[in-house]
Amino acid sequence: AQSVTQLGSHVSVSEGALVLLRCNYSSSVPPYLFWYVQYPNQGLQLLLKYTSAATLVKGINGFEAEFKKSETSFHLTKPSAHMSDAAEYFCAVTPNPEYGQNFVFGPGTRLSVLP
Amino acid sequence: DTAVSQTPKYLVTQMGNDKSIKCEQNLGHDTMYWYKQDSKKFLKIMFSYNNKELIINETVPNRFSPKSPDKAHLNLHINSLELGDSAVYFCASSHSDANTGELFFGEGSRLTVL
Repeated sequence: AQSVTQLGSHVSVSEGALVLLRCNYSSSVPPYLFWYVQYPNQGLQLLLKYTSAATLVKGINGFEAEFKKSETSFHLTKPSAHMSDAAEYFCAVTPNPEYGQNFVFGPGTRLSVLP
Repeated sequence: DTAVSQTPKYLVTQMGNDKSIKCEQNLGHDTMYWYKQDSKKFLKIMFSYNNKELIINETVPNRFSPKSPDKAHLNLHINSLELGDSAVYFCASSHSDANTGELFFGEGSRLTVL
């Protein structure tokens, strides 16, 4: 079975500061990992995904994440936070996206960006 | 064109009523899902259909019944609504291809049961 933990339900950073959102997973098979962002009153949008290719994955809006198998982690970073980054961020894992395999989502981390 | 569209976006109803939420995707995907997001933003899968066939049916009350008339549509019907059903329900779709299997979400349907 797969599971996802996200350390910190709420993270606050100053505009221009580094953003680090943590994600750890457990999976009995090589995982596919995703980060999604949810802006207020909207659905989830894909930020980036890891599908066993390069371990450093670049996504949209300047975000990137690094897959570290030894640490079972897939932390999300952005060098410089912008006010528009304030949103809820979800890490998700699935063993294999084929045929409706179950995506398991973490509990989410709310990012606040302070002026 | 909206890729995954749900209707209605907001739904306020009384306990005991029956309601439906509709979902359509124009991405050509073969798999569709219903997720429930509670007040703490926790997302939990409810159902998954692949080419109109039920693939995942998590432990949800049988008052919830999904229907997929074709692979572009997945509707959710809820009977005898209860207060605890209040949540945001998200429809999503994906393609059963290991290289592109990310989920595409609709904007959600916020259900409030009074």
